[in-house]
Amino acid sequence: DAKTTQPNSMESNEEEPVHLPCNHSTISGTDYIHWYRQLPSQGPEYVIHGLTSNVNNRMASLAIAEDRKSSTLILHRATLRDAAVYYCILRDGSGGGADGLTFGKGTHLIIQP
Amino acid sequence: DAGITQSPRHKVTETGTPVTLRCHQTENHRYMYWYRQDPGHGLRLIHYSYGVKDTDKGEVSDGYSVSRSKTEDFLLTLESATSSQTSVYFCAISGTSGGYPYNEQFFGPGTRLTVL
Repeated sequence: DAKTTQPNSMESNEEEPVHLPCNHSTISGTDYIHWYRQLPSQGPEYVIHGLTSNVNNRMASLAIAEDRKSSTLILHRATLRDAAVYYCILRDGSGGGADGLTFGKGTHLIIQP
Repeated sequence: DAGITQSPRHKVTETGTPVTLRCHQTENHRYMYWYRQDPGHGLRLIHYSYGVKDTDKGEVSDGYSVSRSKTEDFLLTLESATSSQTSVYFCAISGTSGGYPYNEQFFGPGTRLTVL
């Protein structure tokens, strides 16, 4: 899987939007962009994924650059419960679907009250 | 929440002893995975299964074996535990639908293993 680069940590205030960047300059045409997050003392949980177009769900939005070399996870109104490590992961969509996820170190998001 | 349980949740053992961790799912998902997480690192894949009796190695499979004799259970065995295998172990499951190969993975609560 192609590699991703994320800032080690970011800090934001409660009830403000948060933009978490991810660079993936070596992304291939069949790579999907996935985001997971890991709350303290829990297993990771899925947040969102996309291929080319921007995506929205109840948890977040995913903005994908036109050249797909970067993406941004957007939390529209952060709460204290959003404090977690956020992982940006690429998955090759041409494979069979069984392969595991390749996690980097992610971004540690700190939310200030 | 997806129906995934891991047992035990905590275990302390001594070097050289065998250890088996169990992952049990009630979702009837086809794919199951074992990951380990060490301080300052993201999760790393140990082994995965794509069906009953069908398993394959992940990134850090040395020293581990797995078995899947039925859909709902995926066992991870450390034949002779070493201190380097002290870690938090996560099980995950995933299914497929709509032709998209990479449905989300659902993770269990984790097992904290300490090897003295």
